[in-house]
Parts: sequence; structure tokens; C-alpha cells
Amino acid sequence: DTAVSQTPKYLVTQMGNDKSIKCEQNLGHDTMYWYKQDSKKFLKIMFSYNNKELIINETVPNRFSPKSPDKAHLNLHINSLELGDSAVYFCASSHIVGEGTEAFFGQGTRLTVV
Amino acid sequence: AQSVAQPEDQVNVAEGNPLTVKCTYSVSGNPYLFWYVQYPNRGLQFLLKYITGDNLVKGSYGFEAEFNKSQTSFHLKKPSALVSDSALYFCAVRGARRRGYQKVTFGTGTKLQVIP
Repeated sequence: DTAVSQTPKYLVTQMGNDKSIKCEQNLGHDTMYWYKQDSKKFLKIMFSYNNKELIINETVPNRFSPKSPDKAHLNLHINSLELGDSAVYFCASSHIVGEGTEAFFGQGTRLTVV
Repeated sequence: AQSVAQPEDQVNVAEGNPLTVKCTYSVSGNPYLFWYVQYPNRGLQFLLKYITGDNLVKGSYGFEAEFNKSQTSFHLKKPSALVSDSALYFCAVRGARRRGYQKVTFGTGTKLQVIP
């Protein structure tokens, strides 16, 4: 059973296109995240939702829009893709916000913008 | 603002030797500290964490980490390295507060190479 699953695993698209990445967790967690890992492997949080409510919104272009239809799902939609958006995007989930709980990560979506 | 420093981009160690991956942190209040491992083309996997209590924390795959409050460090250790331990290791910190959400800040990662 996959705990945190992301689709697609690989995404190659042209500049200017709009694309979505989906994420689902079956761990019963109440908090979900999107992270971006660049080519140097730096990992940076983009967004976090707790029970469908946005609680973290880092300095991310408006072209990135997360959506959480329920607490088990957190999707990421990206408009007008740019070359600099190429990266690996990780979805993660964890239990209670503010506690010392570890996160569970998906396998990542490797986005390549050409 | 909280931060994490992993001073070594890469650590090389011979198989069977002890290994240490260094991490220091800066945070307001008490820290929650984590170590994660990332294998190639995979997501991060949780190894261990420190919340409170014993300074020596034991985790998965024989790893342990020692919390040192005076040195604000949380170094990852293993007594005997395996080739299969070769991966990218991330230290992370979250400050404990009574209210509000504290995001987790990750270090820049340390590549561990275990040489047969």
C-alpha cells in the first residue's frame, strides 16, 4: 500500500503550458505539503494545508495554485510553465500541526519544462 | 528565523567504519529535530527525531543521533557503515511554539558515500 502517492512521476512539457500534479495520502494525516527540490537537491516548502485550510504559503509565484478538495488530497496546478520551474516536486503529509511529528513523502514528480 | 546547517556536502567513509553526518541548527525555543534519508530517484524517508528526553536518539537502520543543546547540534551517527547506506541525508528542524504553525526547515543535504 502506497502511503503518499503522486501522479505523474515524470512530466515533460513545453513552456507556457498549464499542468497539474496530484497527490493522495491514505495515512489519515490532517496536514499535507508541497516541496520543491531543485537541481542542487535543495528542498524548500511551497505550501501546506491543514484540514483543507492553507496554513503555509511561501514566496511562490502566483502561477502555482494548490487545491485541497479533502484532507487526503492536495493537488498542485501550475500555469504558464517556465524553464525555471523544472525541478522535482514532492508531496508529503504528517499528523497534527505544530507537534514533533515526522512527514511522509511521496516519490516525487520530476517536472521538465522545455 | 530558524535555520539548519549541514557543513559537509559529501562524507566518504569505508564500509565497516563509523560514520558521522553533521548538523547544527538555530531556532527560537525548544527544537524538534529530524533526520531524513533520500535514495536516488526516491522521496525522503524518515530516520529519527528528537522531541524531548534522552539526548541520544535511536532510529531506523541502526542510525542514531545525539542532541547537544549547548552546541546546538544534532549529528547523525552509525557505528558501522554499509554500502547500502550511501544516500543523501537531510537534517531538519522545527521550533516548538504554543500557538501557530511552525514550518520545518531542511538543511542542504549531505551525500554519504560508503566505499566498499
